Amino acid sequence: DQQVKQNSPSLSVQEGRISILNCDYTNSMFDYFLWYKKYPAEGPTFLISISSIKDKNEDGRFTVFLNKSAKHLSLHIVPSQPGDSAVYFCAASAYRSYDKVIFGPGTSLSVIP
Amino acid sequence: DAGVTQSPTHLIKTRGQQVTLRCSPISGHKSVSWYQQVLGQGPQFIFQYYEKEERGRGNFPDRFSARQFPNYSSELNVNALLLGDSALYLCASGSSLREGRDNEQFFGPGTRLTVL
Repeated sequence: DQQVKQNSPSLSVQEGRISILNCDYTNSMFDYFLWYKKYPAEGPTFLISISSIKDKNEDGRFTVFLNKSAKHLSLHIVPSQPGDSAVYFCAASAYRSYDKVIFGPGTSLSVIP
Repeated sequence: DAGVTQSPTHLIKTRGQQVTLRCSPISGHKSVSWYQQVLGQGPQFIFQYYEKEERGRGNFPDRFSARQFPNYSSELNVNALLLGDSALYLCASGSSLREGRDNEQFFGPGTRLTVL
């Protein structure tokens, strides 16, 4: 049972445009959500997070939106840059599960110059 | 400052053998988590250790075990290797348990295990 889903395995976007990566989750106990970026031959790097008490969190070009009723979150990258090309993982955790983080399968983003 | 380090980088074993993977967390970090990433999938949680105690375990068989040492480094052991254990094994360290939810985990580069 996949608790965190990323239904788009890949996404291509023109440089300067908006990239929107989507994520759905099934476990209503999840209350903290994270996005990680991963380049080949490197470990995942934390990008941005959001608590369930918020519906939006911004950090520079990156914004995460959370829709709790739909159990859906999305990551917006504006403007997209070629260096953003990587695999993006959506992840979630539940209060009192310590740092047990459940990852989605990832979306490979290609930003075309 | 050094990030999370893992050794070895690559490893080739045969079925039935045993393997030990090592992780050194970021200095000052007391939490270490282990993940398995199979090609095409996201990392899957195996264990979390905090202050040398196991605080979480994922859905992995008893062939997988881990421990954390007084210096907060950690080892992951896998016995009776199967072909399906071939994966990238990631270690992540964090500063504390859940305080303020701002203590994101920092991942090492991983150990690529191939079982033949």
